[in-house]
Amino acid sequence: IAGITQAPTSQILAAGRRMTLRCTQDMRHNAMYWYRQDLGLGLRLIHYSNTAGTTGKGEVPDGYSVSRANTDDFPLTLASAVPSQTSVYFCASRATVSNTEAFFGQGTRLTVV
Amino acid sequence: AQTVTQSQPEMSVQEAETVTLSCTYDTSESDYYLFWYKQPPSRQMILVIRQEAYKQQNATENRFSVNFQKAAKSFSLKISDSQLGDAAMYFCAYRSAGLGTGTASKLTFGTGTRLQVTL
Repeated sequence: IAGITQAPTSQILAAGRRMTLRCTQDMRHNAMYWYRQDLGLGLRLIHYSNTAGTTGKGEVPDGYSVSRANTDDFPLTLASAVPSQTSVYFCASRATVSNTEAFFGQGTRLTVV
Repeated sequence: AQTVTQSQPEMSVQEAETVTLSCTYDTSESDYYLFWYKQPPSRQMILVIRQEAYKQQNATENRFSVNFQKAAKSFSLKISDSQLGDAAMYFCAYRSAGLGTGTASKLTFGTGTRLQVTL
């Protein structure tokens, strides 16, 4: 089934540890995004990528990094996790050329303790 | 930068009744898209309805319809004949039109409205 997959679905992480959230899509979408969802704040853009090999910063990029080595994968890395990074993280993808709407993954609930 | 405001953190509706969720936005652009997303307890983000700014006709999808007032920058969602399965968090979102690079293709979300459906 075509779609976008995130892993893990949930994780408890000790502060200071490094963590990579995985995101894979099989729809050949050129654009991919990472959002974080926090109560009362909605979803905010962390990083994005318009095409393989390029990335850019969103609204709340500090403490996060991304890479886009190929079309399908867009991992999000927390180099040294802090409690304020406790959130639900969503990956999304979109085919901007055909102006289709974004597909979202099922989200990763991350708790930093 | 665009902003999206949802002023109702929580709403409640009785089953089979009608409810309207409010959304306002701010933008200097003339061409854009507006969306309502539903997020049930499963956490999945589900697109409910989409409106193109250049279309004057309000979008409708079965029991879901919008009231799009471009001059007022208002985009409310009406749910008719509410069902228990409509209980969820609803997000209003904005996206620039066109094929822009950078963050132009991103979605800007409101803070959400939690809808409860009672018997």
